[in-house]
Amino acid sequence: GAGVSQSPRYKVAKRGQDVALRCDPISGHVSLFWYQQALGQGPEFLTYFQNEAQLDKSGLPSDRFFAERPEGSVSTLKIQRTQQEDSAVYLCASSHIRLARLETQYFGPGTRLLVL
Amino acid sequence: DQQVKQNSPSLSVQEGRISILNCDYTNSMFDYFLWYKKYPAEGPTFLISISSIKDKNEDGRFTVFLNKSAKHLSLHIVPSQPGDSAVYFCAASPETSGSRLTFGEGTQLTVNP
Repeated sequence: GAGVSQSPRYKVAKRGQDVALRCDPISGHVSLFWYQQALGQGPEFLTYFQNEAQLDKSGLPSDRFFAERPEGSVSTLKIQRTQQEDSAVYLCASSHIRLARLETQYFGPGTRLLVL
Repeated sequence: DQQVKQNSPSLSVQEGRISILNCDYTNSMFDYFLWYKKYPAEGPTFLISISSIKDKNEDGRFTVFLNKSAKHLSLHIVPSQPGDSAVYFCAASPETSGSRLTFGEGTQLTVNP
């Protein structure tokens, strides 16, 4: 498919376990975003990459959260020592930079994480 | 500190009538606004946007209005169709933050046949 894909779609983790969430952006998209969406809330910004450079990580809630995009395409969001409050849907979005300042962000289906 | 607020968690309208979804914001640095639509188990899908230099943008059945002095925007859907039933998110971005989006809590729209 041509859209943003994320895996796994669902993840159940025991408290204290480490998890890794993968995002495959649309081919050629330079910008990549991670958002966290708690139940009944809107998505909240976590971090932003332009190619392999992480330009903004101000939304990461703690140092247990780490994101990388080493080759400027696929990205991984890692959560160490998961806590119950980490339970949420994690959304990845990508966009293609053109001359316009703000590009439409295309979202993946999300990974639903449940921490028991 | 909720900078973008959608005060109506849900809205129900009859097919063929107008749906009006509202959004308020507090950050005066926001200068670009978007509406996203989300179906269950899918990611949000871009619907329509508006820059702060405009007060209206129209795309087919969808029109977004921006009132900068009131820090308020609204999405009008005319005529509403059952396939429009989804959660609608308002989002905003300030020029200084690049493309980072701040979302509202969402409004569940139900269009009844």
